[in-house]
Amino acid sequence: DTAVSQTPKYLVTQMGNDKSIKCEQNLGHDTMYWYKQDSKKFLKIMFSYNNKELIINETVPNRFSPKSPDKAHLNLHINSLELGDSAVYFCASSQGPVQPQHFGDGTRLSIL
Amino acid sequence: RKEVEQDPGPFNVPEGATVAFNCTYSNSASQSFFWYRQDCRKEPKLLMSVYSSGNEDGRFTAQLNRASQYISLLIRDSKLSDSATYLCVVRSADTGRRALTFGSGTRLQVQP
Repeated sequence: DTAVSQTPKYLVTQMGNDKSIKCEQNLGHDTMYWYKQDSKKFLKIMFSYNNKELIINETVPNRFSPKSPDKAHLNLHINSLELGDSAVYFCASSQGPVQPQHFGDGTRLSIL
Repeated sequence: RKEVEQDPGPFNVPEGATVAFNCTYSNSASQSFFWYRQDCRKEPKLLMSVYSSGNEDGRFTAQLNRASQYISLLIRDSKLSDSATYLCVVRSADTGRRALTFGSGTRLQVQP
């Protein structure tokens, strides 16, 4: 069974569209994250939720909106997609906010 | 100065070689340290935590030098399968932020 699963794995769409990426973890972890990894491979945190409460909200355009319906799920909705949004987006989870993290396979987002 | 800095490499070494990577962190109050491994087009995976006294896991040895603010990873008897990018991870010194900060990674290529 996959511990952290995110869908879709690949997302190719046009500039200006709105899209969502879903993430689920079955590890019983309290904390979930969204990271963005750009073409230079730098992994940067975007958001973190602990028990459904937003605890980290980095300097991210407000076109990005996370939503955590329960502590096993953390979805990411992106409005008005731009070329610069092209990247790999990783979901992760951990037992607590600064414990080692388990990552999903990543969602490769390409904006045309 | 970046919070976590690594030499991007690549380090090209023959099979069986010993290779070491260093990673420096900027804030002396940083408390937790990890090494992650990321294969090409895959998600990061925890390799090992780094403890104050140093720790070993098979062919891998991690060391922490608080005085000089760096951590190191030593790989003995390199295997082809060790080829990957190694990410240094530090708990943010800003405890209110409660996040881990990832370095940009050091790429290792083990050659036959």
